[in-house]
Order: sequence, then structure tokens, then C-alpha cells
Amino acid sequence: DAKTTQPNSMESNEEEPVHLPCNHSTISGTDYIHWYRQLPSQGPEYVIHGLTSNVNNRMASLAIAEDRKSSTLILHRATLRDAAVYYCIPARDGANSKLTFGKGITLSVRP
Amino acid sequence: NAGVTQTPKFRILKIGQSMTLQCTQDMNHNYMYWYRQDPGMGLKLIYYSVGAGITDKGEVPNGYNVSRSTTEDFPLRLELAAPSQTSVYFCASRRKAGGELFFGEGSRLTVL
Repeated sequence: DAKTTQPNSMESNEEEPVHLPCNHSTISGTDYIHWYRQLPSQGPEYVIHGLTSNVNNRMASLAIAEDRKSSTLILHRATLRDAAVYYCIPARDGANSKLTFGKGITLSVRP
Repeated sequence: NAGVTQTPKFRILKIGQSMTLQCTQDMNHNYMYWYRQDPGMGLKLIYYSVGAGITDKGEVPNGYNVSRSTTEDFPLRLELAAPSQTSVYFCASRRKAGGELFFGEGSRLTVL
């Protein structure tokens, strides 16, 4: 599995954009980049995933570097509810694909 | 729409006791997973299944067993509980190999 490097924590102000980085320099060509988040006292929830192109959904945007060795999760307007641990996970789509969660980034949002 | 349901939500066990954590999903997902999360840490994969009758080990399978007799259910069995198994356990499922994972609310287990 590809190793990931994320900062331990980040802070943001409410209603400002947040850019959460992830380095995955050993990613293979067939690994998708998944992002999940875990709100306090809850199970993780899916945020977004992509392979090569930038991806957008109602929750966030995912910007993937051209060499795919890094990616950035973008929350366009942080809310207090976005305070959570964010996990970046490279993973293949094969039959035995499994997601391995590291420690993630703890995002704090200031009102 | 129930999604992934785990029972019990909380349990206290004595050392050496056994128990089964139940997980059921109503989304007809083939892929199911069991994770554990120790305080302040990320999730570690215990076991997973890609379909009824098929299971495989994850990162930390020792002390646990699973079975998958139906698509809906994926119980996790703890034999001879130890304090090191004190953790929060999450069950998850997804429809296809690269799809979105859906998690249950977790089961908090304490072994004393």
C-alpha cells in the first residue's frame, strides 16, 4: 500500500476555504485517492475520491497533482460541522481492495 | 433506510470472556469490513469479506474470527477477550471494489 504523509492538525476560520494536503509519493498508477472524514464520536464518512482529474461534489473538491504524488482536499467554506479528522487513502479498485486509514489531519474550525 | 447496523453499541467484558459483535447491512453490498480504532489512532483493518462465504485477514486479525454466511451479515467473534482488545469497532460495507464505504456507528468494547 502507498504511504501517505499528512500534517497532524490544521486550523481554519469559519466560512473561509480550507486546503488539506496529502503526500503519497509511492502511489501506483492504478490507485485511486480516497478522502474520508470522521466527526467526533462517529464512524468515518466518505468525502470524495479520484484517479487523475480534479473532482468536485457537494461536499468538497479534490485537486490531484499532475504527477499524482500529492493531492489537496478543498472545503470551499468551512463550517463548524467540518471540524473532524480527515483521512487521505490511496487504494486500488481490485477485488481485494481494502482501505487503510492512517492518523489523518485533525481540522479545527474557529467561529 | 437503515444502512449499516452494529450491535451492541457498548459492552464491558471480563478477561477471558467471549462475545460476538453483530453487523448487518441492508444495501445488498458484497464487500464488508471490520475495523478497530484505539484512542487517538486511525482505524486498523481486522477482517474483510468480498462476498458470502469468502473472508480474509486484514492488518490485525489475531484474537478475532469472522464468518459470512449471508450477504447481509458479517459478525465478528472475540474469543478469550484481553485488555488489548479494548477499542471502538466499526463495521463498513460497499457495493463494489472502488465504491464508497458506508460505516456503522461503532461498538465500544471495554475488557477489564
